[in-house]
Amino acid sequence: EAGVAQSPRYKIIEKRQSVAFWCNPISGHATLYWYQQILGQGPKLLIQFQNNGVVDDSQLPKDRFSAERLKGVDSTLKIQPAKLEDSAVYLCASSLDLLNEQFFGPGTRLTVL
Amino acid sequence: GNSVTQMEGPVTLSEEAFLTINCTYTATGYPSLFWYVQYPGEGLQLLLKATKADDKGSNKGFEATYRKETTSFHLEKGSVQVSDSAVYFCALSESRNNNDMRFGAGTRLTVKP
Repeated sequence: EAGVAQSPRYKIIEKRQSVAFWCNPISGHATLYWYQQILGQGPKLLIQFQNNGVVDDSQLPKDRFSAERLKGVDSTLKIQPAKLEDSAVYLCASSLDLLNEQFFGPGTRLTVL
Repeated sequence: GNSVTQMEGPVTLSEEAFLTINCTYTATGYPSLFWYVQYPGEGLQLLLKATKADDKGSNKGFEATYRKETTSFHLEKGSVQVSDSAVYFCALSESRNNNDMRFGAGTRLTVKP
């Protein structure tokens, strides 16, 4: 069974630029999560989808971050414009449904200069 | 709010040594507790979990017991191998839909032959 796929694996941008990350969850998984993991810290949940609906986005900085999962499968996370403090690893995870184990992708490491 | 504190790393051990990684938590209710592992270049994987007091989670020779009286969930392994080298994260979740998952900062373990 293929795992959670993310791209790109690495991205370097300058502050005030825009960036987008892509996630393809495990086939059949209804729930999708985006996490931000700053160096030296544990992952922090940004947004959680159930199919194409948002379950929780309370920790998403909505002035610059946006995410969508239009067809209930793939998802994109966008930052516009980026700040230095957005440098982190962005993790995508998926689960069969809200109550089941989360499976994580390898992450996208973002460096903002 | 809910939080997890785990021992700072890095931890370096020789093969076959005994491992303990301490984890304590703060929660308002009765959370489920988790240990995740992140091997180099890979995504986080669930290692073990416990959902109620006195439960013991175990997997791959690792164990952790949910201690409500000391609010702890320490990870132990009797004899570590080089292949156990990874970053270990303690986490908790109180909600049924896992949208409040809180992770510790992670502890890097290096096992030398």
